[in-house]
Amino acid sequence: GAGVSQSPSNKVTEKGKDVELRCDPISGHTALYWYRQRLGQGLEFLIYFQGNSAPDKSGLPSDRFSAERTGESVSTLTIQRTQQEDSAVYLCASSSTGEVQPQHFGDGTRLSIL
Amino acid sequence: KQEVTQIPAALSVPEGENLVLNCSFTDSAIYNLQWFRQDPGKGLTSLLLIQSSQREQTSGRLNASLDKSSGRSTLYIAASQPGDSATYLCAVTGGKLIFGQGTELSVKP
Repeated sequence: GAGVSQSPSNKVTEKGKDVELRCDPISGHTALYWYRQRLGQGLEFLIYFQGNSAPDKSGLPSDRFSAERTGESVSTLTIQRTQQEDSAVYLCASSSTGEVQPQHFGDGTRLSIL
Repeated sequence: KQEVTQIPAALSVPEGENLVLNCSFTDSAIYNLQWFRQDPGKGLTSLLLIQSSQREQTSGRLNASLDKSSGRSTLYIAASQPGDSATYLCAVTGGKLIFGQGTELSVKP
């Protein structure tokens, strides 16, 4: 079946603009995660959705970052008033029931802030 | 705070060699440990997942072990091939995944 799909694959925008990144998880997966991978650094957790529970937002770096998920489907990650340090690859992952199941990753969105 | 460390940061081996990648973590309260590979410009591909109650998992030429009490995991790759060249990441989960920095592996023909 289809894997995790992210769009766009690449995004270049000017500093100060807002951007919206999209993730389509694997059908039936109740858990969805967003991570960030900055150049030369490891992956950082951003936010976690599990079913209808309140999301774990503990990894969001600032209030310019927000994410939404409609039910158990698509999620969008929004970055407002982008800064150059927001340049990174943003990866989305989904899993079938959460913590004990493997996470399956999309190919990511490469975001470049000029 | 959970911290994950991978050693070595980079490794270059000739084709056919067996090799071991190391991962250590500071907090043994984990649900599972997962090994991934990442190819340049790509997302992560899950290789093996070891539940906290398990000691090892095998898939083809790959074998991963977990010693939760000592906070260590190893990924053993047998008879390495040039196609194994990638960055290998380990991650532990107590909910979200906490990643190591990765080991960049190069297998030379």
